[in-house]
Amino acid sequence: GEDVEQSLFLSVREGDSSVINCTYTDSSSTYLYWYKQEPGAGLQLLTYIFSNMDMKQDQRLTVLLNKKDKHLSLRIADTQTGDSAIYFCAAGSGNTGKLIFGQGTTLQVKP
Amino acid sequence: DGGITQSPKYLFRKEGQNVTLSCEQNLNHDAMYWYRQDPGQGLRLIYYSQIVNDFQKGDIAEGYSVSREKKESFPLTVTSAQKNPTAFYLCASMGRGKNTEAFFGQGTRLTVV
Repeated sequence: GEDVEQSLFLSVREGDSSVINCTYTDSSSTYLYWYKQEPGAGLQLLTYIFSNMDMKQDQRLTVLLNKKDKHLSLRIADTQTGDSAIYFCAAGSGNTGKLIFGQGTTLQVKP
Repeated sequence: DGGITQSPKYLFRKEGQNVTLSCEQNLNHDAMYWYRQDPGQGLRLIYYSQIVNDFQKGDIAEGYSVSREKKESFPLTVTSAQKNPTAFYLCASMGRGKNTEAFFGQGTRLTVV
């Protein structure tokens, strides 16, 4: 079935760049999303990319998509302590309408 | 303001009781989703609906039921058949077409006592 995989933990120093990686299995995935979750809260949509795009930049966030390898990454430039959270990758299938999430990557930003 | 609202934020249920979680959206989105999140875990899909009066099982539908009588509303019932219902429940909605976005409610934390 459809699956989305992420590494579980990333630690960086304040001011460095963070790169969170994600792989997915469903080649019919049409939309790929990145969400941020702070403790006890719902999910906040950070950015998304349509499957016919290779890259999308939005202020400090850069999303790269390698459709051939089914690999998605989120780069956060100049990472701040307020960026500490869990980041979820999700793949939306245009065929089935399903929206499948990875396990989440906990980003720890050290001062 | 357009958005997606879940209620209540916290819910306590006695063992053996059914309980219904509310999810309402005014974004005119066709698709709606229910997920379960356990501590330190990702989101697992319970049910989803792409259109009114239609819904499909996700990966962990056993012990849950849904209805989609109106476009705006997608309530989730956690039945007594659900063996381990204590979790954080998240509802999402998504529109159709290019550049669609999926938005989430703030979640309902269900505790069985």
